[in-house]
Amino acid sequence: AQRVTQPEKLLSVFKGAPVELKCNYSYSGSPELFWYVQYSRQRLQLLLRHISRESIKGFTADLNKGETSFHLKKPFAQEEDSAMYYCALRRGSTLGRLYFGRGTQLTVWP
Amino acid sequence: KAGVTQTPRYLIKTRGQQVTLSCSPISGHRSVSWYQQTPGQGLQFLFEYFSETQRNKGNFPGRFSGRQFSNSRSEMNVSTLELGDSALYLCASTSQGNEQFFGPGTRLTVL
Repeated sequence: AQRVTQPEKLLSVFKGAPVELKCNYSYSGSPELFWYVQYSRQRLQLLLRHISRESIKGFTADLNKGETSFHLKKPFAQEEDSAMYYCALRRGSTLGRLYFGRGTQLTVWP
Repeated sequence: KAGVTQTPRYLIKTRGQQVTLSCSPISGHRSVSWYQQTPGQGLQFLFEYFSETQRNKGNFPGRFSGRQFSNSRSEMNVSTLELGDSALYLCASTSQGNEQFFGPGTRLTVL
């Protein structure tokens, strides 16, 4: 079975501080990992996927297969980063199905 | 390109009724997935359709069903509504690059 865990339901930091949103997963195969973001009153949108290894809006995430983690990091948080962040996993055999974590609400204070 | 659209955006029903929600994927996307989002359970996968065939199914009772048309538009139906079916229902279409794009959702309230 597969599972995605985001241990922090709420996370608050001050503007300019580093931020790390944790994501751990369990899956015996080779998963594809994603971070989705939902800003207030907007639809869910893709932020990062591990296979692209891009940095989007200053965020990066590295897949650590040994620790089964895919933590999202940003060195200097901005107020506009305040949003709900979801970590998601996809198995290679089920392309249209994502397994989501419960989400972390990030608040960046001025 | 227009994004994924869902209709209606809001719906109020009473227990025992049935409801049909509609989703129009991004042009060219052939896969449509449905998710239920609730405060208690988070985002849970309902089912996925590809080329008019159900390709994956989540752990929901048979009251939840769906279909996809030849133009890739999809509908989901919930029969005999229960209070616990109150949720935001999200539709997503998947690109050829396997990226899922989500719609704004339909907020269903069951009274």
